[in-house]
Amino acid sequence: DAKTTQPNSMESNEEEPVHLPCNHSTISGTDYIHWYRQLPSQGPEYVIHGLTSNVNNRMASLAIAEDRKSSTLILHRATLRDAAVYYCIFVSGNTGKLIFGQGTTLQVKP
Amino acid sequence: NAGVTQTPKFRILKIGQSMTLQCAQDMNHNYMYWYRQDPGMGLKLIYYSVGAGITDKGEVPNGYNVSRSTTEDFPLRLELAAPSQTSVYFCASRRDSEDYGYTFGSGTRLTVV
Repeated sequence: DAKTTQPNSMESNEEEPVHLPCNHSTISGTDYIHWYRQLPSQGPEYVIHGLTSNVNNRMASLAIAEDRKSSTLILHRATLRDAAVYYCIFVSGNTGKLIFGQGTTLQVKP
Repeated sequence: NAGVTQTPKFRILKIGQSMTLQCAQDMNHNYMYWYRQDPGMGLKLIYYSVGAGITDKGEVPNGYNVSRSTTEDFPLRLELAAPSQTSVYFCASRRDSEDYGYTFGSGTRLTVV
């Protein structure tokens, strides 16, 4: 099943940009890259997804490498409410299974 | 839209008891999923369904059963509860295309004693 590699933890200061990296070297050409985050005691929350081009929405930006073997989630101005576990997942096949890894725990310091 | 609704939010079971975790969505999503999350760990896929009448096993299906008689509902059944099934259970759904995000419920926290 689809596997990604992320750092276990990262720290950021409030109101500074955060770049969360993800490696997905086994991704195929039709797999979408999804990012979710999970705040303490809550279910995962959709953040952003993309296929080949960089993507922007109200929450974040997603930068996808040209060879698609890595991507970076960008939070433009981190807030304390952004402290969460961030999961990078690529969706493979027509079953749409999301296979979660350990994710990156983001700590935001005031 | 209510999104994905899970009931109950909390439950304590005794070893050997049975229960059904309910999951309902009102978005007309064909794709639905059940996950469990143990403390400090990522989510593990239990079962999934790509439409009414179609279900399949995920990574950790042992001890669980599912059914999908309607598009809206995807219940998860625990027949003989064991302490190893103490976990938080999340249900999720998605539209038919991979070009959409997934919606998760708020979870059911289950303790087996």
